[in-house]
Amino acid sequence: KAGVTQTPRYLIKTRGQQVTLSCSPISGHRSVSWYQQTPGQGLQFLFEYFSETQRNKGNFPGRFSGRQFSNSRSEMNVSTLELGDSALYLCASSRTTAPQETQYFGPGTRLLVL
Amino acid sequence: AQSVTQPDIHITVSEGASLELRCNYSYGATPYLFWYVQSPGQGLQLLLKYFSGDTLVQGIKGFEAEFKRSQSSFNLRKPSVHWSDAAEYFCAVGAEAAGNKLTFGGGTRVLVKP
Repeated sequence: KAGVTQTPRYLIKTRGQQVTLSCSPISGHRSVSWYQQTPGQGLQFLFEYFSETQRNKGNFPGRFSGRQFSNSRSEMNVSTLELGDSALYLCASSRTTAPQETQYFGPGTRLLVL
Repeated sequence: AQSVTQPDIHITVSEGASLELRCNYSYGATPYLFWYVQSPGQGLQLLLKYFSGDTLVQGIKGFEAEFKRSQSSFNLRKPSVHWSDAAEYFCAVGAEAAGNKLTFGGGTRVLVKP
């Protein structure tokens, strides 16, 4: 079974631009969560989507948004990029929203903002 | 709110020696506890998880962890380390009401000496 895929794997943007990252979950998984990983702040939860609905949101500004499509694929968007948005963005998928379910992480998208 | 502390940022261990990584959590109710491993350039892989029952949990790659409610700890152990265990290890806590949202510790980077 194919794992979680994230595209693109690497991205370079400049301040003020916007970016869209994509995550394709494991087949049959309906929950997708997004995390930001930086050396300074570590791994921080961005949001979770299940059946096209945002179920949970972390403490990030409104510039960070996401959505989920009917095939469970998810995208996150960051508008008006800042230098501090440089990070590894990880998505994880699971079958349901129950915390007992194993979450499978993708390899991440590394975003560099110049 | 949940929080996780991993007191050791770096640990160096000789190949074949035992390894113990510390994790302390803060959460009012019974937590859902996880250990993940991240190799360079990779996403996170689940090593083991604890929800209830036996407080000693066995995971993949020969790892085990013990939940100690009185100490709010969930330490990870491996009796004999292999060079391939060099990676960063993250402890995380979830909660029933939080869906798939995980709160991660800062991570412990493990270096294995030959």
